Amino acid sequence: AQSVAQPEDQVNVAEGNPLTVKCTYSVSGNPYLFWYVQYPNRGLQFLLKYITGDNLVKGSYGFEAEFNKSQTSFHLKKPSALVSDSALYFCAVRAASGGSYIPTFGRGTSLIVHP
Amino acid sequence: ETGVTQSPTHLIKTRGQQVTLRCSSQSGHNTVSWYQQALGQGPQFIFQYYREEENGRGNFPPRFSGLQFPNYSSELNVNALELDDSALYLCASSQGTSGRARDTGELFFGEGSRLTVL
Repeated sequence: AQSVAQPEDQVNVAEGNPLTVKCTYSVSGNPYLFWYVQYPNRGLQFLLKYITGDNLVKGSYGFEAEFNKSQTSFHLKKPSALVSDSALYFCAVRAASGGSYIPTFGRGTSLIVHP
Repeated sequence: ETGVTQSPTHLIKTRGQQVTLRCSSQSGHNTVSWYQQALGQGPQFIFQYYREEENGRGNFPPRFSGLQFPNYSSELNVNALELDDSALYLCASSQGTSGRARDTGELFFGEGSRLTVL
């Protein structure tokens, strides 16, 4: 079975500082990995995905994520946080082939950026 | 290009009642997935429809059912509501292919229907 762990319920960072939101996964074979963001009372919005190729993936709003196969991680990063980045962030994984093609989501990490 | 729209946005039901939630997929998308998001949790997969046929189901009882229409819009029906069914129900559309494993696309979510069961 595939699974995602987001070990931090909440991440606090000061505006202008770099941020990291952690994600580790478990899946049979190669993974497809995704990050989504959810603002209060809204649906999820796609940020970025890793399918194959370069381990560093760049996405929307200046976010990027690094795929690390040996550590089975896909941490979300941004060099300089904005107050408007405060939201709930979800990591998701599915198998590239075989198994379930339905993505499994983590429990989410609340990012709070302080002015 | 219109996005994913869901209705109603909020509703309150009592235990034992039935509810129907509706979703219009994004233009050009043929696949709709439904998720349940309880408070403080990540989205849990309920089922997916691809070209009007159920194409995968999560760990939800049969009282959760759905369908997809020829225009790819979709409904989620929940019978015999229980208190634990209170949640945000999210619909997501995507463009699927006949070879499901090759679908690498992201999901496009609606803003959800918040169901409260009293």
